[in-house]
Amino acid sequence: SFVLTQPPSVSVAPGETARITCGGITIGSNSVHWYQQRPGQAPVLVIYYDSDRPSGIPERFSGSNPGNTATLSISRVEAGDEADYYCQVWDSNTDHMVFGGGTKLTVL
Amino acid sequence: QVQLVESGGGLVKPGGSLRLSCTASGFIFSDYYMTWIRQAPGKGLEWVADISNSGSTKFHADSVKGRFTISRDNAKNSLYLQMNSLRAEDTAVYYCARDHGGGGSCPEYWGQGILVTVSS
Repeated sequence: SFVLTQPPSVSVAPGETARITCGGITIGSNSVHWYQQRPGQAPVLVIYYDSDRPSGIPERFSGSNPGNTATLSISRVEAGDEADYYCQVWDSNTDHMVFGGGTKLTVL
Repeated sequence: QVQLVESGGGLVKPGGSLRLSCTASGFIFSDYYMTWIRQAPGKGLEWVADISNSGSTKFHADSVKGRFTISRDNAKNSLYLQMNSLRAEDTAVYYCARDHGGGGSCPEYWGQGILVTVSS
């Protein structure tokens, strides 16, 4: 079955750009969605269909999916961005939804 | 605004059953695919099941197939998850979520979640 691989953790200083990757075979042929989950809260959709931003999500959040690896980028990182981030696709071969293992973003 | 409120969680013994409900408001419920997603304590997100807007099409994760059943009542704006033969590994916070609108691939709005604990 489809496996999405994320780094367990990413650390970045305030004001810098954080990049979180999501790898998987043929991921470029699937639309990737990204979620932010702060401790004790429900996940929030921050990027959908590879690079679209829901209303209310800052422009600092962007996404790309050019090939085997999708990337969530967060520019001008703030302390409030510290959270777990998950990528997700719908595997049309199995009709299953698949989540990556999650990446903990730490703001130094 | 979109609201999703889960109910029906709690403590249940291994082998037991539980029915989760999710009451929706703030949108036309019958227009959207709906999803159940769970998160075991300290773990990542795991998809459980999806249902089409009409309820005619359902998908379940391999880990719950044959034990859990997703359903909906559009007249009551409600989503359900019938959980049978529960195991310790089913212990998790269960979230219901509404699709973005593209046909069931992207949960956009999430409830706050309900805890299910399977333990003797």
